Amino acid sequence: GQQVMQIPQYQHVQEGEDFTTYCNSSTTLSNIQWYKQRPGGHPVFLIQLVKSGEVKKQKRLTFQFGEAKKNSSLHITATQTTDVGTYFCAGGGTYKYIFGTGTRLKVLA
Amino acid sequence: EAQVTQNPRYLITVTGKKLTVTCSQNMNHEYMSWYRQDPGLGLRQIYYSMNVEVTDKGDVPEGYKVSRKEKRNFPLILESPSPNQTSLYFCASGKGGGEKLFFGSGTQLSVL
Repeated sequence: GQQVMQIPQYQHVQEGEDFTTYCNSSTTLSNIQWYKQRPGGHPVFLIQLVKSGEVKKQKRLTFQFGEAKKNSSLHITATQTTDVGTYFCAGGGTYKYIFGTGTRLKVLA
Repeated sequence: EAQVTQNPRYLITVTGKKLTVTCSQNMNHEYMSWYRQDPGLGLRQIYYSMNVEVTDKGDVPEGYKVSRKEKRNFPLILESPSPNQTSLYFCASGKGGGEKLFFGSGTQLSVL
């Protein structure tokens, strides 16, 4: 079946350093969504990408959808302690959302 | 306030004792879904519902039941819980068609 893998599984960074998480699907995705889960919290929607090669920015966060629509990345510039959490990508099908394994980010002050 | 409400927040039970986790949304969403979250495995879909009386299996449906008798409610039923169902459970809702999901606060279940 369809699988969505994310790397790395964990990342510790010093505050101010950049961070990137990568999402790879075994099949072509109709769209990709990104969610953030704070420690002890629930996933919260960040953004959706639909078009091949699409790039979107939200302040220090840059999201990219691959040309083949099988991979995506989330890049955070100059991390802050508020960025701590687990970031999930999700391949958004019509009704079956396949979530990646998540990347857990720790930011050291 | 638009929200997805799950109850209970924490639940400890014993093997074989039937339990229900409730989920309710106030956004008139057609799509609702249940996920379980386990370390290193991410969020795995258990069941989903496209509308009232329409449900389908996700990736890990064994040992779970759902029903969708009303649009706003989508309870998750464990008829005979086992220790391997110890997990963090999330309910989510959305408009469907690949639109963004809104998650409940989660239910931490421990089956002894």
